[in-house]
Amino acid sequence: AQSVTQPDIHITVSEGASLELRCNYSYGATPYLFWYVQSPGQGLQLLLKYFSGDTLVQGIKGFEAEFKRSQSSFNLRKPSVHWSDAAEYFCAVGAREYGNKLVFGAGTILRVKS
Amino acid sequence: GAVVSQHPSRVICKSGTSVKIECRSLDFQATTMFWYRQFPKQSLMLMATSNEGSKATYEQGVEKDKFLINHASLTLSTLTVTSAHPEDSSFYICSARGPSGTSPLHFGNGTRLTVT
Repeated sequence: AQSVTQPDIHITVSEGASLELRCNYSYGATPYLFWYVQSPGQGLQLLLKYFSGDTLVQGIKGFEAEFKRSQSSFNLRKPSVHWSDAAEYFCAVGAREYGNKLVFGAGTILRVKS
Repeated sequence: GAVVSQHPSRVICKSGTSVKIECRSLDFQATTMFWYRQFPKQSLMLMATSNEGSKATYEQGVEKDKFLINHASLTLSTLTVTSAHPEDSSFYICSARGPSGTSPLHFGNGTRLTVT
């Protein structure tokens, strides 16, 4: 069965510090991978996506993610976190073979301390 | 581009009444839209896939008669929660796929439903 694991429920980082949010997936097909961000009470905003090609993808707001097939991972990174990055982050996986429906991870809540 | 508008953002209704939530793709045509439900501090759970001009496909465990989905045009899908109960209180989010089959999902801002 398809599954997405975000092992960290909460992460707290200092403003200006680097950030890495982990995402691992289990999928029986070639996956598409996404990271979304959700502010409280809001919908989801796409940060970045990977379909194929270069395994290091750049997104909005200074985020990047690297697809590592051998590790079944798609970790999200940012070199220097800003207070406005505090939100919940969701990793999602889809595949054409599964009707392009997305399966979401449980989310990681990012807290930024000044 | 690729904006999805969801309305209303918040709704409070009494038990037994029905509530309609609209999801519109503003600048693209969406043959497929998805409806998700998010419980507090949990991830998104897909409820159903809405296909323009045909019946929605519901995920296992989702009551078709309770959550009515209509996708009458390429830019509008509606979710009607019928005979709402307090346990239906939740955050409902719609999404629409962009123009190509592999486009990412674009999400509405969600609807907070509270059933009293």
